[in-house]
Formats: sequence, structure tokens, C-alpha cells
Amino acid sequence: SQTIHQWPATLVQPVGSPLSLECTVEGTSNPNLYWYRQAAGRGLQLLFYSVGIGQISSEVPQNLSASRPQDRQFILSSKKLLLSDSGFYLCAWGQGRYIQYFGAGTRLSVL
Amino acid sequence: AQSVSQHNHHVILSEAASLELGCNYSYGGTVNLFWYVQYPGQHLQLLLKYFSGDPLVKGIKGFEAEFIKSKFSFNLRKPSVQWSDTAEYFCAVNGGQTGANNLFFGTGTRLTVIP
Repeated sequence: SQTIHQWPATLVQPVGSPLSLECTVEGTSNPNLYWYRQAAGRGLQLLFYSVGIGQISSEVPQNLSASRPQDRQFILSSKKLLLSDSGFYLCAWGQGRYIQYFGAGTRLSVL
Repeated sequence: AQSVSQHNHHVILSEAASLELGCNYSYGGTVNLFWYVQYPGQHLQLLLKYFSGDPLVKGIKGFEAEFIKSKFSFNLRKPSVQWSDTAEYFCAVNGGQTGANNLFFGTGTRLTVIP
């Protein structure tokens, strides 16, 4: 069966520090992978998606970037965090027209 | 542009009450419609989906949703809720043959079921 591992679960970082959130998928090959940000009362906002190794599409211009160094690995990064980067980040896997699985999420607090 | 509206932000029901959560979307063409659920402390997961065919869709745990094209709606229903249905529910939509990268989510409805 398919599984998404996402870590860390919570993270507290100072403003200006770098960020690296990792997501790995098991039980499938060549998945479409997604990074979402979930803000209270604002639903899920798609940040990045990837249809293959090294292929990244950005949906929202911002302080974040994504990379896909391996087929089942998706990384969300930042060189210098801003206060506004605080939020709940979700990795997701989908094939076809919808998201099949979400990760457990990372709650990021930038102080 | 596509959008999804969930007008109920927080719904509180007693066990055995009937549930209907509203979802309206804005999109002129063929749509795919979804409900996702996030139980406390758990991953967001797919509850049910509609692509075409019978507009009444049945999902897991006794939930169903009805696609009413003329009303641009895809409301979620359950005849008798249980305490374990306490969760946050998200409606989502994308168009036709587009992929999940074009999936638009509503802001969510928090359901609290009182024993």
C-alpha cells in the first residue's frame, strides 16, 4: 500500500534561518507529488508540484523552493525564512485527477 | 477562475442527527468533485469523489454527496452522525481532464458531534 512519510512533525525556526522539509513516498513509482500550505480558515494552497525527477512547477511566487532529487522524494526549502512562512505544510501524492494521499504535515513556526 | 465555497465554518450536532455540509463551486465546464476529511490527529484523506455518471455518490463511513449541476453544488450528507465523525471536512473541485495540480479546495467545515 502507498504511504507518505513527512518530517519533522513540528519545527520552530528563527527568522532568517534556512528550511528543509522532506517527504518520501512508498508503494508507488513515478508519483505526482505536491506541497500544500494549510492556513486556518483559508483551506489548502498549492505551493509546488512535480511530475518527475527534477521537474518542479511553482504555483505561488514566494520565499520557498522545492526539489525532487529522487523519484519518491520531494523537498521543500528556504534559504531565509520569513515570519509569513509560518504555517502547516502538507506533502501529497496524486496520480490522475486528484490527490490520493496526504502526509501527516509539518507545523512550522517562524519566530 | 475556479473557486470553492464552504459556507459553514463550524457545525455542531448531537449524535444521531442528520448532517448536510454545503459546497458550492464556481466553474463553467465539466468538473470533478471531491470531499476530503481530516480526523483529529490524522492525515487528510479522501472521503468520496465524483467524475461523471450517477450524481449521487457514496463514500466511506456512510457518507454521500449529491452533485447538482444547476446549483453548482456538491453537498455532503450523512443520515445519522456519530461522535467519531468529528473532523474537518474539505470540498475540492477541478475541471474535466485536468490533474490534481488544478485542484481547488474550500476553506473547510469543522464538524463537532456531541455524544
